[in-house]
Amino acid sequence: EAGVAQSPRYKIIEKRQSVAFWCNPISGHATLYWYQQILGQGPKLLIQFQNNGVVDDSQLPKDRFSAERLKGVDSTLKIQPAKLEDSAVYLCASRLNTNQPQHFGDGTRLSIL
Amino acid sequence: TQLLEQSPQFLSIQEGENLTVYCNSSSVFSSLQWYRQEPGEGPVLLVTVVTGGEVKKLKRLTFQFGDARKDSSLHITAAQPGDTGLYLCAHLRSNDYKLSFGAGTTVTVRA
Repeated sequence: EAGVAQSPRYKIIEKRQSVAFWCNPISGHATLYWYQQILGQGPKLLIQFQNNGVVDDSQLPKDRFSAERLKGVDSTLKIQPAKLEDSAVYLCASRLNTNQPQHFGDGTRLSIL
Repeated sequence: TQLLEQSPQFLSIQEGENLTVYCNSSSVFSSLQWYRQEPGEGPVLLVTVVTGGEVKKLKRLTFQFGDARKDSSLHITAAQPGDTGLYLCAHLRSNDYKLSFGAGTTVTVRA
């Protein structure tokens, strides 16, 4: 089966600009996650979707980050405006159900100048 | 949030040598997972351990869950360059199935 697809792979922007990332989960996976992985750290959960509804966005900096999964399939994560500390790899993961593991995409590496 | 501490932070060894990395906490875990993340890729699940004292083997990798379920270790025998990567341990919460990751150990195996 095809894995979790993410794009773009790399993005370089200046601070205060906006950026968007896209994720296409594995077909049929109802649960979708966005993680932030800062260099030297493990992934940190930003937001979790179940179908098109938000389950947990408690760790999402809502003043600048937003995410949506309108049709319960693809998802986008947006940052506006970006800050230097947002430089990180943004990982998307999906899961079929609670008895199955999360499958991760290869991430988008974001560099803020 | 239950904190996972991984050690060492970095490890560089020669091909054929053995290595062990550790994942420790002051909290008791219902289960722990180990992932390997290669450069430019996402984490890939290696194993889940759920029982205190449990030992699981995956080819040359041996995973152990501490008796008190507060710590875990990963031992690699006769390491190969293909074992190079970031090894992450993670707690899988039983109530909501969310993952909390440690900071990882970066392993480099030199040919």
